[in-house]
Amino acid sequence: IAGITQAPTSQILAAGRRMTLRCTQDMRHNAMYWYRQDLGLGLRLIHYSNTAGTTGKGEVPDGYSVSRANTDDFPLTLASAVPSQTSVYFCASSDGAGNTDTQYFGPGTRLTVL
Amino acid sequence: GQNIDQPTEMTATEGAIVQINCTYQTSGFNGLFWYQQHAGEAPTFLSYNVLDGLEEKGRFSSFLSRSKGYSYLLLKELQMKDSASYLCAVQDSNYQLIWGAGTKLIIKP
Repeated sequence: IAGITQAPTSQILAAGRRMTLRCTQDMRHNAMYWYRQDLGLGLRLIHYSNTAGTTGKGEVPDGYSVSRANTDDFPLTLASAVPSQTSVYFCASSDGAGNTDTQYFGPGTRLTVL
Repeated sequence: GQNIDQPTEMTATEGAIVQINCTYQTSGFNGLFWYQQHAGEAPTFLSYNVLDGLEEKGRFSSFLSRSKGYSYLLLKELQMKDSASYLCAVQDSNYQLIWGAGTKLIIKP
């Protein structure tokens, strides 16, 4: 059982290019999340999905979009990358049962936008 | 606004005990989580508190006081492998996690 996988592991991207970060979970979790982690800051929520077919905006959604066509996959797209989107991106999933809803994280994607 | 405060960095000695504090101000409270994150890796779940008091899990314990907006993570019998960042996160009224910036714990022999 893999848990949560993310691809690519790392990427260097030219500003203005489009990029999709992939996330797949095999735990049949209802909820999925995308965070970015920057030095000196806490994890910040970009977008989330409480169940397949629904998505919501987090704290820092601008410049990012997501889709949730099925339970397992939750891709994050940067339509036109900018240097401020250089960060480590983590995908997470949880049962979505409200409180005691532990989130489990993928290994992360390190993205550099030049 | 919502705020989670933790010390940026702490140093402790192998075999000793260390306490990492976390104070929070959030819109609502539905529980507090502690995660461990080794450098270059993903955060992993350590503990969850929703009621006041101490939760013990082996060498790790976590305490919560909701009236004070305060929690701590206590690590006993420190090992070199405990060198990592420790992240405090509060679940707000919308069940979203608000994260602190993390405390980097350095263990010295």
